[in-house]
Amino acid sequence: GAVVSQHPSRVICKSGTSVKIECRSLDFQATTMFWYRQFPKKSLMLMATSNEGSKATYEQGVEKDKFLINHASLTLSTLTVTSAHPEDSSFYICSATNPVGAFFGQGTRLTVV
Amino acid sequence: GENVEQHPSTLSVQEGDSAVIKCTYSDSASNYFPWYKQELGKGPQLIIDIRSNVGEKKDQRIAVTLNKTAKHFSLHITETQPEDSAVYFCAAGNFGNEKLTFGTGTRLTIIP
Repeated sequence: GAVVSQHPSRVICKSGTSVKIECRSLDFQATTMFWYRQFPKKSLMLMATSNEGSKATYEQGVEKDKFLINHASLTLSTLTVTSAHPEDSSFYICSATNPVGAFFGQGTRLTVV
Repeated sequence: GENVEQHPSTLSVQEGDSAVIKCTYSDSASNYFPWYKQELGKGPQLIIDIRSNVGEKKDQRIAVTLNKTAKHFSLHITETQPEDSAVYFCAAGNFGNEKLTFGTGTRLTIIP
């Protein structure tokens, strides 16, 4: 069964609006979660590290004011794409690690129109 | 930082034959090497991983080997089946709360 659950799996929004994506660890606590972005036929690019109870750590080139990350509990991290534009359209994926391994959510396909 | 290279980018294999995908990494401090299978429109699925304290791990038709000295690790799929067709990614990092660096992916096609 799923170890990491991500919601929604697909979302379409208008330019200028904000979209929130949730990532939950199931049956285990994750003090750290990771958010990735994947372009078509490309590999996963790490966007940021989500830290429970503290600020997220962003990779170089990722706008922290654009991609807001909140890790309010040990089982939930959220990514909010603010003032979305068509170039933000992508596949966003979260991950978390338990003693067995590093697992990924199902991914969220964001389309900004 | 870590750099992971993956080869080949595409691989076509006759059903029943074996498939091998290879990766190299640069950071000798990395100790965790997972392999993921990604189907279209879905998140990566962990299929097998290996930690630096062992050289080989096997799970039914899937095996992974690790050569720490040469800094490379490989995925071996035997008796391939059509459902093995997917994109496979290798990754390297430190087990626990450290981020993973991914390879560029291999599109595996199993020919019936």
